[in-house]
Amino acid sequence: NAGVTQTPKFQVLKTGQSMTLQCAQDMNHEYMSWYRQDPGMGLRLIHYSVGAGITDQGEVPNGYNVSRSTTEDFPLRLLSAAPSQTSVYFCASSYTGQDDGYTFGSGTRLTVV
Amino acid sequence: EDKVVQSPLSLVVHEGDTVTLNCSYEVTNFRSLLWYKQEKKAPTFLFMLTSSGIEKKSGRLSSILDKKELSSILNITATQTGDSAIYLCAVGSNTGKLIFGQGTTLQVKP
Repeated sequence: NAGVTQTPKFQVLKTGQSMTLQCAQDMNHEYMSWYRQDPGMGLRLIHYSVGAGITDQGEVPNGYNVSRSTTEDFPLRLLSAAPSQTSVYFCASSYTGQDDGYTFGSGTRLTVV
Repeated sequence: EDKVVQSPLSLVVHEGDTVTLNCSYEVTNFRSLLWYKQEKKAPTFLFMLTSSGIEKKSGRLSSILDKKELSSILNITATQTGDSAIYLCAVGSNTGKLIFGQGTTLQVKP
């Protein structure tokens, strides 16, 4: 049981490049979310999903796309990277949505130059 | 717009002190309030609260929810240096969305 696995752990991108942050969980969790964390800002919700085929926008969705074709995977795509997207990204999953608390991946530190 | 606000944003105390962290929220279709601890890596789950006035406890940590005041507090008694961390409050709605506050950075000095 690996929990929530995020790859890569570190990434440097040039402005305008695109990339996909991977997130996979093996706990059969229905709920999955992507957050970004910047100093002094807590965790801000980018996109979330309540099941395969269902996604919705969070607080800061611009510049990011998601899809949920399987229960296990929830990739986050940066369409055209900008320096403002430099951040630490966390993927999280939960069986019920909240009651058991979300389990977080170890994070991806992204730098856009 | 859903909002979660924590105070204070940062706090420095000495070992043995008691601290109280605050969280207030405005969230449509409130379902639960959760507290997390973050130490240089991913957040770890502490408590989940859904009912007003019922205290949750785990060792020296306790938390209570006041749904009338739309707020919660997290108390840490007899603080230790190992309690130094960012404490995050999050509020969940019935839509499955979980919104976090800015966090309180706690530093406990020996």
